[in-house]
Amino acid sequence: DAKTTQPPSMDCAEGRAANLPCNHSTISGNEYVYWYRQIHSQGPQYIIHGLKNNETNEMASLIITEDRKSSTLILPHATLRDTAVYYCIVRVVGNTGKLIFGQGTTLQVKP
Amino acid sequence: NAGVTQTPKFQVLKTGQSMTLQCAQDMNHNSMYWYRQDPGMGLRLIYYSASEGTTDKGEVPNGYNVSRLNKREFSLRLESAAPSQTSVYFCASSTPGPSSYEQYFGPGTRLTVT
Repeated sequence: DAKTTQPPSMDCAEGRAANLPCNHSTISGNEYVYWYRQIHSQGPQYIIHGLKNNETNEMASLIITEDRKSSTLILPHATLRDTAVYYCIVRVVGNTGKLIFGQGTTLQVKP
Repeated sequence: NAGVTQTPKFQVLKTGQSMTLQCAQDMNHNSMYWYRQDPGMGLRLIYYSASEGTTDKGEVPNGYNVSRLNKREFSLRLESAAPSQTSVYFCASSTPGPSSYEQYFGPGTRLTVT
């Protein structure tokens, strides 16, 4: 699975959009980009995933560059409850479903 | 629908003691996983079970054994606990195949080995 690089920490003002970048320059054609988050030492929570097209769900949007070497997770209106560690993971969809977590980005949403 | 449950929530062991961490899911998922998370670190995969009756090693399997008891239950055993195994342990489950993008995690077991 391709390795990902994320900034260790970011701040965001409450109510503003939070844009979390992820670099995955060695991604292969059959590898998806997944985002999970972990709030205050709870179990991680799935947010969104994509292959090459931009994706949106009720939690967030995922923007993947045309060359697929990087992506951005967007939380459109961050709240204090979005303060968490956000993990960008790249993997091939398959029967095992294994996830390889990196260090993630700690997002601090401030009032 | 409880999702993924783990027992116990907290445990303190002395070096050399053994224990089993229990995990159960009620979502009829085929695949189950055990991760550990050390302070300030991301999760690391210990073992996983792609389906009932199969188990495979992950990134950090040394010092652990697992049992996929049935489709619902996946246990993790520490035969002789060491201080280096002090960590938070998370169990997860998912569906296999093209839709296996979403893993559901339990609340974790906080283990301290003295």
